[in-house]
Amino acid sequence: QSALTQPPSVSGSPGQSVTISCTGTSSDIGSYDRVSWYHQPPGTAPKLMIYEVSSRPSGVPDRFSGSKSGNTASLTISGLQAEDEADYYCSSYTTSNTVIFGGGTKLTVL
Amino acid sequence: EVQLLESGGGLVQPGGSLRLSCAASGFIFSTYSMSWVRQAPGKGLEWVSGISGSGGYTNKPDSVKGRFTISRDNSKNTLYLQMNSLRAEDTAVYYCVKPPTGCPSGCAAFHIWGQGTMVTVSS
Repeated sequence: QSALTQPPSVSGSPGQSVTISCTGTSSDIGSYDRVSWYHQPPGTAPKLMIYEVSSRPSGVPDRFSGSKSGNTASLTISGLQAEDEADYYCSSYTTSNTVIFGGGTKLTVL
Repeated sequence: EVQLLESGGGLVQPGGSLRLSCAASGFIFSTYSMSWVRQAPGKGLEWVSGISGSGGYTNKPDSVKGRFTISRDNSKNTLYLQMNSLRAEDTAVYYCVKPPTGCPSGCAAFHIWGQGTMVTVSS
């Protein structure tokens, strides 16, 4: 099964909002509300930011929000801060009972 | 505090085998499904195996079918990944991962990550 499709990079200035898209198919994102988003600064393990499309684990700021429409999920970061600069990955459950990830998006805070 | 501590990584020749372990603490291990996720150097994330809380159900992607086997010992709070017929493309950091509290069957989400163990397949 092919990876989910994410833009290689996005950027924004402090205080602005950015949105990262994650496009799949009817066999993954389109079939389940089991989309997650991860934040990974260089040299560290990934951190779960969003799960089940729009739920936030305890401790994740509400500046981070998730949504889904059809086969595409999105992560929006509002009030961009310098520490948000990192790689971001989406993932989804699939109809094959597996989990697939996106290729990752590098967020640069200008 | 919830903790996952991987071990067992190292350098192995192509075609060789390796067994990774993950010692879990701080939660009721047997009630949570668990997974392994890997990340090749400079590359993205790849889910490589998952197992139910009881150990009765497992799954994995085609890239490792027939070569990798996930298992668990709930009496020892330990997760395992047996890797056989290793290839150069299996070189990666391997993470043991736990789903969020309130998602014992997984939610296909990975909340707690270990520090990772490096596996290098090279002659």
